[in-house]
This record gives sequence, C-alpha cells and structure tokens, in this order.
Amino acid sequence: EDKVVQSPLSLVVHEGDTVTLNCSYEVTNFRSLLWYKQEKKAPTFLFMLTSSGIEKKSGRLSSILDKKELFSILNITATQTGDSAVYLCAVRNSGNTPLVFGKGTRLSVIA
Amino acid sequence: NAGVTQTPKFRVLKTGQSMTLLCAQDMNHEYMYWYRQDPGMGLRLIHYSVGEGTTAKGEVPDGYNVSRLKKQNFLLGLESAAPSQTSVYFCASSPWARGDTEAFFGQGTRLTVV
Repeated sequence: EDKVVQSPLSLVVHEGDTVTLNCSYEVTNFRSLLWYKQEKKAPTFLFMLTSSGIEKKSGRLSSILDKKELFSILNITATQTGDSAVYLCAVRNSGNTPLVFGKGTRLSVIA
Repeated sequence: NAGVTQTPKFRVLKTGQSMTLLCAQDMNHEYMYWYRQDPGMGLRLIHYSVGEGTTAKGEVPDGYNVSRLKKQNFLLGLESAAPSQTSVYFCASSPWARGDTEAFFGQGTRLTVV
C-alpha cells in the first residue's frame, strides 16, 4: 500500500523565518511527487518532481526530491502571513493513477 | 474558465437520507476523482474514473457510489447517509498525457450528516 508521511503536522513561525517541510514516501513504481497549497478551499498546485536532485523554484518556494532516500522537502524563505496554509504532499505510482496524499502540514505565519 | 465545478457547496442531511454530489469539468480531462478530507487525515480517495463509462474504487469506497455517464461529469452518491460521512468532499480531474500532470481541484462540498 502506497504511503506518504509528512512532518511536522503543524508549525508556527514568525514572518521572515525560513521553514522546511518534509515528505517521505513508500510507493511501488514511483512516478512523481507533487506539492499543493491549501488555504481555505481547493488545493492549488505548487510543484511536481520526478527526478532526484533537481530543484524546482517559484519565488520564495523551492522543492527537491531524493529518490534514493525516498523523501522530498519544501522550503519557504522569508515567510509571510500569506504563506499560512496547509501544505499537502502527494505521490503517484506508474501511469496517470490517482494521487495518494499525506496528512498535510499546517503552517501558521504570525506577524 | 470554470475548471472544476462542484455542486452543491454546502449541504446538511439527516441520517438515512440520500443525495448526489455533482462534479463538472470543462477541460476535456480523461481522469476524475472524488476525495474526502477530514481533520488531520489529509485527502483520501473514495472512487475515481479513467474515462467515460468507467469507475474504480479508491481507499474509502464504502457507503458511496459513483457514475461517469458523460466525460465532463462525475457523480458521487450517498444512498443512506451516516454521521461518519460528515466531511469536505473534493472532486479533481487530470488530463491524459504521456508525462505526468497535476490534478485540478474543485472548491469542495461541505456535507454535514446529523
């Protein structure tokens, strides 16, 4: 059974801090790992990672995958209150199969 | 550009009542999914479809049925609602592609069963 474990489950930081969110996984025939941000309603897509060691970057957010150690991290630098959200990690095995999600990390950024 | 639209957005049911949640996508996507989200549980897959006329069970299918009679619509039915089905339900879709693609989510349906 495919499994995704995120840590920490919740985190409170001050504006300007840098945070690292973790996602480890066990999946047969790994295909891709995706990060989503969920504020109030629908999850919105952040990154998709398929290869080890290649950093994906968007503004203050970046992510990298380690397929040998079976984990990914999501970094957010210079955090802002608008970064407060639940960050979801999901994996997909062979083919365009449904995503399997972790429980999410709830990030709260306080001014 | 509507994307993925779910109706209704909110609903309160009494135990034993039935209802259908509708998901519609206008992106011509092959794949559609129904997830439920409970506090501290992330998103769990209920049922999914890989094309018109096909459905398959996910991680938590009991108590739900689905149908995909048209490519753009994916219906989730509760025949006899139970309080354990109180949750937020998300529909998602993704296109067929040679490489991997993201899934696009609807805004969710908050269902309360009393």
